[in-house]
Amino acid sequence: GAVVSQHPSRVICKSGTSVKIECRSLDFQATTMFWYRQFPKQSLMLMATSNEGSKATYEQGVEKDKFLINHASLTLSTLTVTSAHPEDSSFYICSAWGQGGQETQYFGPGTRLLVL
Amino acid sequence: AQSVTQPDIHITVSEGASLELRCNYSYGATPYLFWYVQSPGQGLQLLLKYFSGDTLVQGIKGFEAEFKRSQSSFNLRKPSVHWSDAAEYFCAVRPGAGSYQLTFGKGTKLSVIP
Repeated sequence: GAVVSQHPSRVICKSGTSVKIECRSLDFQATTMFWYRQFPKQSLMLMATSNEGSKATYEQGVEKDKFLINHASLTLSTLTVTSAHPEDSSFYICSAWGQGGQETQYFGPGTRLLVL
Repeated sequence: AQSVTQPDIHITVSEGASLELRCNYSYGATPYLFWYVQSPGQGLQLLLKYFSGDTLVQGIKGFEAEFKRSQSSFNLRKPSVHWSDAAEYFCAVRPGAGSYQLTFGKGTKLSVIP
């Protein structure tokens, strides 16, 4: 099946710094990628939808200036958490839309962010 | 708005026993339905999906799910659970063709007793 990678898998940063998370589709072109946030023992909450070459669409309540999303190519989307604070600590998961007849989202392994 | 309910937060079964995880959805039409599995600290892996046709869907790792329109349900089953099946299971729905946004249930954690 299609493979989606995320980097880094785990990051610890100081409060006030910015952190970039990369999401790559390794063997298919993804015109659309999604970013989710998952709190401990919770479900996945969609943060934003990222379309290649255009601005991301953010879900209600998600600060677009804090969570910057860039989808510059068909295989790469990045999420930058700007001026991170401890409440931003979470598990961030990306997914990519594969249109190879599967009509299925393929998920990355996730990035654990801890802000001290 | 569509919603997904997984009534069971945590289920414990013995290895070798059968398993059924419940999922109910609320949506005006028949959505596309999915089951994903998440191991600790990992992303999600697709187990199976239903778009149309045969209401009994076979997936990977010996899982199957049955779509019941009258009950708005899409329950996941496995006849004999293995210790490696211990994980979090998420049911998800999508409105249908042309829409790719998923709505997830809160998940069911499966523990397996050796």
